Amino acid sequence: DSGVTQTPKHLITATGQRVTLRCSPRSGDLSVYWYQQSLDQGLQFLIQYYNGEERAKGNILERFSAQQFPDLHSELNLSSLELGDSALYFCASSLEVDQPQHFGDGTRLSIL
Amino acid sequence: AQSVTQLDSQVPVFEEAPVELRCNYSSSVSVYLFWYVQYPNQGLQLLLKYLSGSTLVESINGFEAEFNKSQTSFHLRKPSVHISDTAEYFCAVIPVGGGFKTIFGAGTRLFVKA
Repeated sequence: DSGVTQTPKHLITATGQRVTLRCSPRSGDLSVYWYQQSLDQGLQFLIQYYNGEERAKGNILERFSAQQFPDLHSELNLSSLELGDSALYFCASSLEVDQPQHFGDGTRLSIL
Repeated sequence: AQSVTQLDSQVPVFEEAPVELRCNYSSSVSVYLFWYVQYPNQGLQLLLKYLSGSTLVESINGFEAEFNKSQTSFHLRKPSVHISDTAEYFCAVIPVGGGFKTIFGAGTRLFVKA
């Protein structure tokens, strides 16, 4: 058990919709990272927060946004969903700012 | 920009045989190096990491990796694999001091046969 909790585990929705994925980091960890894993793109870094502040941005679409709250949990918001957004979305956490260490089991997003 | 190349997409090997999973990277700045393992239907688990210091790093379950700066490589090795090592292995880099963006390789599927 990594200590990172992601909800929901599965999400099925339609094109054009908006969803929110939630991540609770391992207790004590200040950094939260979001990743997308798909068959065609592989593992892609989306965005990272450290103690509430955005620290790094990767291949995150403008339709996607994220934030880290004062209690350190994080949410990834995906809007105007397209079929190509179907993927596994992982959250990771760490105490340090630059070493993603503990991964959640992911949220599997299916767009119909 | 950084890139990571995992030279083998699949590596079949017999149980108790040695294995090497290859990883090469490209970067104009110093990087931290990582190996992660992903078992079916699970998230990634950090296997080992190189930040600085000794170029040989070891994990608790018998894997080791050696950072070779001149060859820009970070190959993962295990002298004797078990069936339970069957999984997907990802090499990753993070540039030091700027951006902290994780760049992953495409992954290598290790398949251990009895």
